[in-house]
This record gives sequence, structure tokens and C-alpha cells, in this order.
Amino acid sequence: DSGVTQTPKHLITATGQRVTLRCSPRSGDLSVYWYQQSLDQGLQFLIQYYNGEERAKGNILERFSAQQFPDLHSELNLSSLELGDSALYFCASSRGAGYSPLHFGNGTRLTVT
Amino acid sequence: DQQVKQNSPSLSVQEGRISILNCDYTNSMFDYFLWYKKYPAEGPTFLISISSIKDKNEDGRFTVFLNKSAKHLSLHIVPSQPGDSAVYFCAASAIRGGGADGLTFGKGTHLIIQP
Repeated sequence: DSGVTQTPKHLITATGQRVTLRCSPRSGDLSVYWYQQSLDQGLQFLIQYYNGEERAKGNILERFSAQQFPDLHSELNLSSLELGDSALYFCASSRGAGYSPLHFGNGTRLTVT
Repeated sequence: DQQVKQNSPSLSVQEGRISILNCDYTNSMFDYFLWYKKYPAEGPTFLISISSIKDKNEDGRFTVFLNKSAKHLSLHIVPSQPGDSAVYFCAASAIRGGGADGLTFGKGTHLIIQP
């Protein structure tokens, strides 16, 4: 058990809808990261938050947004969903102090129909 | 453009033998490298890491080697066990260069340990 909790585990929704994925980091970790894993793709970095502030952005679409709350949990909001957004979405956390590994949750599987 | 490449999609090794997984990178700013193991329906699990000031790091049956001039790293598992069957991801980050702490991942190698 990595200590990173993601909810829900599965999500099925229709095109055009909006969903929110939730992540609770490991105790003591200040950084939260979001990754997307599509079929035949590796893990694509979306966005990082450190202690409530956005720190880095990767390949995140404008339809997607995230935030990290004062209690350090994070939410990833996906809107105007398209079929191609179907993927596994992973959250990871780390101490955020440079050379520290990321620890991943078990992901949310999003299916857009 | 793939900055981290794992050129072998799969690898089959006999139980008890050495498993060697390879990874190449192109970004010379990368200075922190990690290996993750992933089982189906689970998130990646951190295995071992190495910073660019070292060329080897060992943890039990797992050893990571880094060749900076060749921009190549490898993960050695000795001896290989059935529970090692999983997908292994190589990842890299540019910490010192002020880049994001987010990791760049390879596409993974599926390791199969045969009895």
C-alpha cells in the first residue's frame, strides 16, 4: 500500500460531461502529481502541485484543471469529455524536496461513452 | 519526441537467472532516474533510484547502473523470481536544472519470469 488514495476507482460517463477525480497524498507529502495513461501510451505527466500552488504543467489539456486544497488533497477536473479522454488517471505524491521518489495511487479508470 | 525510451516491449527470463532491463534517454538535463514496477490494476510501485552523481545503486536483488556518457541505464534483478513478473517503467527527472519534479516515463517493458 503506497499510502496514496484515489477515488473513485472506476467512472463511466458520457461525452460532454464533467467529472472530478480525487486524491489524498501520503501523510507528510507536500507535492501531488497527476498522470494519464492511455491505451498504448506510457504515463503522461499532466500537472504538479506543491503545498497548494501549481508548480509544473505537462501535457494537460485546457479542458482539464486541478487544484490542491489546504489539507493537501487534490482534485482533477475533466470537462467537455471526449471519447479519447478514456484512460487511467494516476495521482502520485512525494516529499517534494527534489530527489525524492513519487509514490502512486491505484488510479481511477475513466470510461467515456 | 520520446525523451525516455525502453526499446524492449517484453522480456522473458528463467527463474533464478538475471533479468536485465534497459532504458535510454535523450535529455542531458536529466539527473535523477527511477525504476517502477507495475502489476495490472495497480499503480506503479517505486523500486530503486539513482542520481547522476553515482553510477550504481544497489538494493537487495535490484541494482541500477547509470552510464551518463551513453545516456543509458539498466536494472538488474538477481536472482529473478516469479513475483517479479510485471511491467517495469524507467523514469527520469531534471531536478538540479530547475525543471519540474514531474517524471518522464518510458513506455515500459513487460518482464515474464518463467519457472
